[in-house]
Amino acid sequence: QKEVEQDPGPLSVPEGAIVSLNCTYSNSAFQYFMWYRQYSRKGPELLMYTYSSGNKEDGRFTAQVDKSSKYISLFIRDSQPSDSATYLCAMSASSNSGYALNFGKGTSLLVTP
Amino acid sequence: GAVVSQHPSRVICKSGTSVKIECRSLDFQATTMFWYRQFPKQSLMLMATSNEGSKATYEQGVEKDKFLINHASLTLSTLTVTSAHPEDSSFYICSARGQGGYGYTFGSGTRLTVV
Repeated sequence: QKEVEQDPGPLSVPEGAIVSLNCTYSNSAFQYFMWYRQYSRKGPELLMYTYSSGNKEDGRFTAQVDKSSKYISLFIRDSQPSDSATYLCAMSASSNSGYALNFGKGTSLLVTP
Repeated sequence: GAVVSQHPSRVICKSGTSVKIECRSLDFQATTMFWYRQFPKQSLMLMATSNEGSKATYEQGVEKDKFLINHASLTLSTLTVTSAHPEDSSFYICSARGQGGYGYTFGSGTRLTVV
């Protein structure tokens, strides 16, 4: 079993819809959770960063972490065509800069006008 | 915010030649840089961890002699694909974490095509 599981999609939604993206993980040592957005043939860009359990909101994006269930989510409100991209969850057991991230496969999202 | 500059963005080379990819942290010092490889519709696969002033740590299955990593300064790490073959064609991305920063910043990636 991979440490981080993420449904690759594709997920297609109409403009304005609420999008829910999810990842599960198996390593209970993970404490730092991130969501990245990756456009085609570009490097990933950091969207959200959370530590431990709880919610974090930034504009149209909300990240949730449930460590008891080993489940994290990213919600996108009022989705726009420009949100069409691949969304990768990532996590780490340490804040030490020497620790690499563990990535999910990424979910491909398409927001149609 | 932290910026990582990666060059070239795209390179086509002949089979048997070597290609060097550079990653620079522009506004922070990166003690550690990570090199990833990504195949189409696949996740990022960690290849190696590059530490300034010391040898890189390679993930299992990654050939050290094929993928040479140098991290001579706190702002520059290079990945050289030696004797490239068509199966080395992929998207290579570096990343680093700034001191005191949150999350990891990625370079824009290098699309390598070996013909």
